Amino acid sequence: AQSVAQPEDQVNVAEGNPLTVKCTYSVSGNPYLFWYVQYPNRGLQFLLKYITGDNLVKGSYGFEAEFNKSQTSFHLKKPSALVSDSALYFCAVRAMYNNNDMRFGAGTRLTVKP
Amino acid sequence: KAGVTQTPRYLIKTRGQQVTLSCSPISGHRSVSWYQQTPGQGLQFLFEYFSETQRNKGNFPGRFSGRQFSNSRSEMNVSTLELGDSALYLCASSATSGNNEQFFGPGTRLTVL
Repeated sequence: AQSVAQPEDQVNVAEGNPLTVKCTYSVSGNPYLFWYVQYPNRGLQFLLKYITGDNLVKGSYGFEAEFNKSQTSFHLKKPSALVSDSALYFCAVRAMYNNNDMRFGAGTRLTVKP
Repeated sequence: KAGVTQTPRYLIKTRGQQVTLSCSPISGHRSVSWYQQTPGQGLQFLFEYFSETQRNKGNFPGRFSGRQFSNSRSEMNVSTLELGDSALYLCASSATSGNNEQFFGPGTRLTVL
């Protein structure tokens, strides 16, 4: 079965600095990869996904993620963090060519300090 | 398009009772998934329905069940509630599955006393 690891429970960055939230995955075959964000007392909001093609995926709110097949990683990045980016971020994976369920990582809490 | 709606938003129950949660997906979406979110366990997959059929099931006891109706609306039921069932229950819909992203509802906060 597929799985996702988010090695950092917490990431702290200063406003204006670049941010990276890490994600590695394990799946049989090729993956579909997703990033979601959750604000307090809200459901998850979709940020971006990798299906195929260009390894650099651009998404909502200036976020992007790079798919690295050899390292089985899909790290989320943003060139310049905003205080409003502070939230809980989830990476998720689903196996291509399979109806397996979507598996989520444990989440990483991002705090951007002014 | 209206988003995913979940009712009720908040529920308080006592141990041993049962509860039914409802989810209305985005119009045209045929896949509905349910997740349990707790601080300790994170997001855990409960089950997925597609065209009224349960397609996938997570590792939860049989007290957790669900169904999907012909209009794609879904319900999940938890019987014989335990304190550990206290959680945020999230519903997500997608057009199909596979490479489609899921759209989440705001969740139902269940508290079991």
